[in-house]
Amino acid sequence: KAGVTQTPRYLIKTRGQQVTLSCSPISGHRSVSWYQQTPGQGLQFLFEYFSETQRNKGNFPGRFSGRQFSNSRSEMNVSTLELGDSALYLCASSPEGTRAYEQFFGPGTRLTVL
Amino acid sequence: KQEVTQIPAALSVPEGENLVLNCSFTDSAIYNLQWFRQDPGKGLTSLLLIQSSQREQTSGRLNASLDKSSGRSTLYIAASQPGDSATYLCAVRRRSTGTASKLTFGTGTRLQVTL
Repeated sequence: KAGVTQTPRYLIKTRGQQVTLSCSPISGHRSVSWYQQTPGQGLQFLFEYFSETQRNKGNFPGRFSGRQFSNSRSEMNVSTLELGDSALYLCASSPEGTRAYEQFFGPGTRLTVL
Repeated sequence: KQEVTQIPAALSVPEGENLVLNCSFTDSAIYNLQWFRQDPGKGLTSLLLIQSSQREQTSGRLNASLDKSSGRSTLYIAASQPGDSATYLCAVRRRSTGTASKLTFGTGTRLQVTL
């Protein structure tokens, strides 16, 4: 079974631009969560989607948004990029049933804002 | 607000040594705790998941314990190998009535196993 995939793997943008990152969960997983990882703040939760609905949200400004499609694929968007948005963005998916709550992570998208 | 701390921040051991990584959390109302491994520039690989009702979980050379009342977990690695070199992260999940909810991560322990 294929793992969580994220595209693109690397991205370079300039301040003020916007960016869209994509995540495809493991087949059959309906929950997708997004995290931001930076050297200073570590791993921080952005939001979680389940069945196309945002179920949880972290403490990030409104410039960070996401959505989930009917096939469980998810996208996150960051508008008006700032230098501090440079980070590794990780997506994780979770199965249903007895293994619910265990999260499986993708390789991440490395975003650099210049 | 849940806070997760990992000590030490970095650790270097010679190959073959047994070692223990520590994780502490401030709010004991957790659903489970998960240990991850992260190689440089890569995503996270799940190592072990311990439910709040469990005391420990084992996988190969890895053993994770959980003492929810004291807010502590340890990851024991037996007979360390150079391939174990990575950053190890623990994460707790708070109780939730829904399915997957957010993980709160520790700061990580960077492990280097030398030849």
